[in-house]
Amino acid sequence: GAGVSQSPRYKVTKRGQDVALRCDPISGHVSLYWYRQALGQGPEFLTYFNYEAQQDKSGLPNDRFSAERPEGSISTLTIQRTEQRDSAMYRCASSLLATADTDTQYFGPGTRLTVL
Amino acid sequence: GENVEQHPSTLSVQEGDSAVIKCTYSDSASNYFPWYKQELGKRPQLIIDIRSNVGEKKDQRIAVTLNKTAKHFSLHITETQPEDSAVYFCAASMWTPLVFGKGTRLSVIA
Repeated sequence: GAGVSQSPRYKVTKRGQDVALRCDPISGHVSLYWYRQALGQGPEFLTYFNYEAQQDKSGLPNDRFSAERPEGSISTLTIQRTEQRDSAMYRCASSLLATADTDTQYFGPGTRLTVL
Repeated sequence: GENVEQHPSTLSVQEGDSAVIKCTYSDSASNYFPWYKQELGKRPQLIIDIRSNVGEKKDQRIAVTLNKTAKHFSLHITETQPEDSAVYFCAASMWTPLVFGKGTRLSVIA
C-alpha cells in the first residue's frame, strides 16, 4: 500500500514568509510524528499526535512553529515568519498503534525547506 | 530526557568483513531500540529493532544486541556488501517519541 507522503517535496521561501508543510500518513495509522533532520544528523523530534490530539509538542523550537491534525489523518506543520535557521529537512512519520515506544515508525520522504 | 550517543561516526570496511556500530542511552526506562538505515537522498528505513525484554535479535546478516545493565546496544552486520553502504541511526524510547543518535556513515569497499 501507499507509504507516508509529504508535500511539497521542496520549498524555497524568503525570510519572514509563512510556510505550511503537509503530511499524509499511512491509512489507518493512529500516531503521527514530525521530525527535523539537519544534514548529516539524526532526526530530531518536534511534535506528535495520537488521532487528532497533540500529545507532545516539547520539541517545537519556539512559538513560530505549530502543528495540527484536525481529522486525525493529514497533518500540517506551519512555520510563521521563517528564518534562515529554519532551513532543514522536515520529516513526518506514522505508526499504527497509539503507543509511541513500541511501534514501528515509517518515515515520509521529507520536505526540504530552504529559507533565503 | 533521553540522550543517545552513537559511535563511530564513520566506518569503512572491506566487502565481506563485519561492521559493528554501538550506541549508549541515558534513560534506564527506555525499552525500545530501533535501527534505521538511510541511503543518500532517501528516507530512513527500519532494518531491525529490539525491545528490552530481549537480549539479542537476528535477521539474516543483521543482528542487534542489548545490554540493559550497561545501557548500550549494538548493530552487527556480517558479510558486508556494497549495498550496505549508508548512514545508520540508532534510537531509543520509552512512552515518548524516538531519540536518535547522530548516525554512522558506513562505507563498504569492494
